[in-house]
Amino acid sequence: GQSLEQPSEVTAVEGAIVQINCTYQTSGFYGLSWYQQHDGGAPTFLSYNALDGLEETGRFSSFLSRSDSYGYLLLQELQMKDSASYFCAGGYGGSQGNLIFGKGTKLSVKP
Amino acid sequence: ETGVTQTPRHLVMGMTNKKSLKCEQHLGHNAMYWYKQSAKKPLELMFVYNFKEQTENNSVPSRFSPECPNSSHLFLHLHTLQPEDSALYLCASSQGLTSGSSLDTQYFGPGTRLTVL
Repeated sequence: GQSLEQPSEVTAVEGAIVQINCTYQTSGFYGLSWYQQHDGGAPTFLSYNALDGLEETGRFSSFLSRSDSYGYLLLQELQMKDSASYFCAGGYGGSQGNLIFGKGTKLSVKP
Repeated sequence: ETGVTQTPRHLVMGMTNKKSLKCEQHLGHNAMYWYKQSAKKPLELMFVYNFKEQTENNSVPSRFSPECPNSSHLFLHLHTLQPEDSALYLCASSQGLTSGSSLDTQYFGPGTRLTVL
């Protein structure tokens, strides 16, 4: 079946830039989403890429390259509150809207 | 607050108990989902209801039984669970699409932390 790979942990300091990569399997793939989940909280939607290129939403940007089966989430001007787990999720054909999630990347932002 | 509520937030049950998890969405969505989240594993899609019809059942054991009486409510009935079923159970909802080629953003509830003794 489909699976998505992302690093398990990333550590960065306040004010820095961090990039979280995600690779995915291409069969039936139609788009890549990113979700944020704070400890004890619910996953919340951050961004979606259906086409190649960069999507920017404030301090967060997401990128997709279909030819490389790869995407990333870029977080700029890191703040302590950005410490959370970040999940990439691939949209795959079949039933509408179904997502296959990666295992998540735990981001720790240090002072 | 995402507009999706789940009750209870925490549940401890024995292997012979029967319990139900409840999810309610106030977003006017037409699709609802159950996910299981275990430590160090990806979110696992369990069930999907689209316009009240079950459209996905990802090889979930029969000890988990979903019910969707209307587009705003979703239940997960639990019986004779195993300790390995202990996890965070997340409900989500989305607009629901008629096409399988575009993304339907999902909104998650806070989850029910289930412990099976």
